[in-house]
Amino acid sequence: GAVVSQHPSWVICKSGTSVKIECRSLDFQATTMFWYRQFPKQSLMLMATSNEGSKATYEQGVEKDKFLINHASLTLSTLTVTSAHPEDSSFYICSARDGKGLAGTGELFFGEGSRLTVL
Amino acid sequence: RKEVEQDPGPFNVPEGATVAFNCTYSNSASQSFFWYRQDCRKEPKLLMSVYSSGNEDGRFTAQLNRASQYISLLIRDSKLSDSATYLCVVNPGGGADGLTFGKGTHLIIQP
Repeated sequence: GAVVSQHPSWVICKSGTSVKIECRSLDFQATTMFWYRQFPKQSLMLMATSNEGSKATYEQGVEKDKFLINHASLTLSTLTVTSAHPEDSSFYICSARDGKGLAGTGELFFGEGSRLTVL
Repeated sequence: RKEVEQDPGPFNVPEGATVAFNCTYSNSASQSFFWYRQDCRKEPKLLMSVYSSGNEDGRFTAQLNRASQYISLLIRDSKLSDSATYLCVVNPGGGADGLTFGKGTHLIIQP
């Protein structure tokens, strides 16, 4: 199946620094990627929908100035957590749809996730 | 009411047993449904889609009841490797919408 690669897998940073997470679709083009966040023992929560060549669409309650999303190419989306604080510590996962079959019904593939710990 | 609701478990069952999970969703306009499997500290992986007519894939059977807004997953002859968290996932609308995930049901298969 399609492969989505996420980097870094783990990151530990000091409070106040910014962290960039990359999400790449390795063998298909993804015009749309999704960014999720998962706190321990909680469900994945959609943060934003990343659209290639245009602005991301953020879910209610997600600060767009804090979580910067850039989708500059059909295979790469980046999430930057700006001025990270301990409460931003979480498991961040990206996903992309491979576009097979009817629009919107292609399987969603997930990156391996990035575990962020802010000290 | 939560959008996608699951019993978190954990379900502790002996190897070889049959186990069933249930899930309810609140958005009656939801269009597609899935079960994902998530291992500890890993990303979710698609287990199977859920169709209105019900569908089976080996030891796994999924069923959908649109009238009751209810989805189920049945695992027969459970294996140790089935131990994981099973996520009920709903696509609230067609197109490129992100999915809505339940919190997951934790399954532990005991030898």
